[in-house]
Amino acid sequence: GEDVEQSLFLSVREGDSSVINCTYTDSSSTYLYWYKQEPGAGLQLLTYIFSNMDMKQDQRLTVLLNKKDKHLSLRIADTQTGDSAIYFCAEPYTGRRALTFGSGTRLQVQP
Amino acid sequence: EAGVAQSPRYKIIEKRQSVAFWCNPISGHATLYWYQQILGQGPKLLIQFQNNGVVDDSQLPKDRFSAERLKGVDSTLKIQPAKLEDSAVYLCASSPRARTGMNTEAFFGQGTRLTVV
Repeated sequence: GEDVEQSLFLSVREGDSSVINCTYTDSSSTYLYWYKQEPGAGLQLLTYIFSNMDMKQDQRLTVLLNKKDKHLSLRIADTQTGDSAIYFCAEPYTGRRALTFGSGTRLQVQP
Repeated sequence: EAGVAQSPRYKIIEKRQSVAFWCNPISGHATLYWYQQILGQGPKLLIQFQNNGVVDDSQLPKDRFSAERLKGVDSTLKIQPAKLEDSAVYLCASSPRARTGMNTEAFFGQGTRLTVV
């Protein structure tokens, strides 16, 4: 994967659902990842999905994977102000273990 | 379990000076990565080590950047001489050893913010 694309910005109201979208390039990617970055901090792994799955749910997080369209989404239910951060989608570089990241989606949660 | 440690947290230098960053990965993690994150962008891989050997340094600007991982644990990344466009956050990450195709989850440090003036 060399070009992972994400929309730059999303604003939602507290309590609403947020959906962050990503398109990736390498159809052979075995795992796809979502990372969260808060201001001044490193990247924190939120969740990941194995490529043979269509959906993975983890508490307020739902990951949907459409392999045909190479589309990945992250849904955050009941979004809180503490969810305000930049969210990165990532896939392994083709044939390698290192990750390639999108440019990130800045999520702003309005009280 | 202690996380990935990096130092310093912040560094300001003048262009053409040199700078070094240090990383201590999670204990037992065989793979170590250095990423560069320019403001407003996602992290980009600079170099990947497996134990003390370089696996991938294809995106490392070798005329000015160097990195080493002596004894397969700590690592240092050096820039000499620095340019204005090197201003970025330098992130270190580590992964446990895994077979190809297995989960490549990486754990990140807080990063070093470099400003070149």
